[in-house]
Amino acid sequence: DADVTQTPRNRITKTGKRIMLECSQTKGHDRMYWYRQDPGLGLRLIYYSFDVKDINKGEISDGYSVSRQAQAKFSLSLESAIPNQTALYFCATSRQGYTEAFFGQGTRLTVV
Amino acid sequence: DAKTTQPPSMDCAEGRAANLPCNHSTISGNEYVYWYRQIHSQGPQYIIHGLKNNETNEMASLIITEDRKSSTLILPHATLRDTAVYYCIVFIYNQGGKLIFGQGTELSVKP
Repeated sequence: DADVTQTPRNRITKTGKRIMLECSQTKGHDRMYWYRQDPGLGLRLIYYSFDVKDINKGEISDGYSVSRQAQAKFSLSLESAIPNQTALYFCATSRQGYTEAFFGQGTRLTVV
Repeated sequence: DAKTTQPPSMDCAEGRAANLPCNHSTISGNEYVYWYRQIHSQGPQYIIHGLKNNETNEMASLIITEDRKSSTLILPHATLRDTAVYYCIVFIYNQGGKLIFGQGTELSVKP
């Protein structure tokens, strides 16, 4: 089983719908992140959480919200999906300090 | 914020060393240099990181200049499977350790 699991892997949704992307990890890490990647571009940070009670906005948080339900679970919600939120979304985890981050396999979201 | 500058693309012959440069002229003393790579549309994969000294692991070597304003990632014997986008990232610890990605270098390893 993967250390960082994202569900669903692919999703097509309609404009205006609410959608949730889920991320769970078995690494025991306290820090979790959500990124989005548009075609041909690098990853941009949406939200990050350093523990269950800590939520922080990243570079592009507008239109998104998150929930840290437990140390191992971090969900990203699009309250009212719009077509320019069509992208590849990645969840990542890391330990505190100067350590590497581990990424999930990504969720490909298409908003039509 | 310390920023990084990388060439958008590079080619390398299979079996030869791939040297990927990165400029980070505004890096501060407590910021580390990290390298990640992303193969196709998979999740990025950690390669190596360093502060001042050169570092080597089973995947690559990292050479950081003495003034720390630039670094080079070296893949000693590139294979076709090393074709990927390589990201050089300065780890901004005083902002809570967020990994901020730039555009990266698209490395193509050719037979």
